[in-house]
Amino acid sequence: AQSVTQLDSQVPVFEEAPVELRCNYSSSVSVYLFWYVQYPNQGLQLLLKYLSGSTLVESINGFEAEFNKSQTSFHLRKPSVHISDTAEYFCAVSEALGGFQKLVFGTGTRLLVSP
Amino acid sequence: DVKVTQSSRYLVKRTGEKVFLECVQDMDHENMFWYRQDPGLGLRLIYFSYDVKMKEKGDIPEGYSVSREKKERFSLILESASTNQTSMYLCASSLVQGRTEAFFGQGTRLTVV
Repeated sequence: AQSVTQLDSQVPVFEEAPVELRCNYSSSVSVYLFWYVQYPNQGLQLLLKYLSGSTLVESINGFEAEFNKSQTSFHLRKPSVHISDTAEYFCAVSEALGGFQKLVFGTGTRLLVSP
Repeated sequence: DVKVTQSSRYLVKRTGEKVFLECVQDMDHENMFWYRQDPGLGLRLIYFSYDVKMKEKGDIPEGYSVSREKKERFSLILESASTNQTSMYLCASSLVQGRTEAFFGQGTRLTVV
């Protein structure tokens, strides 16, 4: 079974500083990878995804993640964070179950951006 | 846009009550899921369904059951609520094949007293 590891439970950072949120998954078998964001008292929203093709994927709000097959990683980065990026971020990997897919989530990383 | 709607944002129930959490999606997705979210534990899958009347246990099904009588609706049932079921419950839906990201509802924060 797949597993996802997010080693950092909380990452404090100052506004306009760069940030990296780490994600490792357990298998190098062909997978789909996702980052979700959860703002306070809301559900999860898809931030970006890797399905195939270019290993670098980007979101519309400046985040990017790079799929590294040899290191089984999918770290999330942003060169300059804003206060509004304060949220919890979840990495997820798909797992095939017969003819359908289910998502396996990491435990989440809380990003705290301060002025 | 895909919309997944959970019937309640906040619920307070008493120990031993039977509790129903309802979820409706409007994009004709085959897959539907119920997750439980607890601090430090991330999202854990309770049950999922890949078709009407079909269901599969997830990682933590004990104390829960589900019902899917119509494609767009997936209900989570707590047969006899207990205080350790106090949590945030998230419903999600996705397509069976292809681009398999899940779309989430806003969540239901359930408190069992």
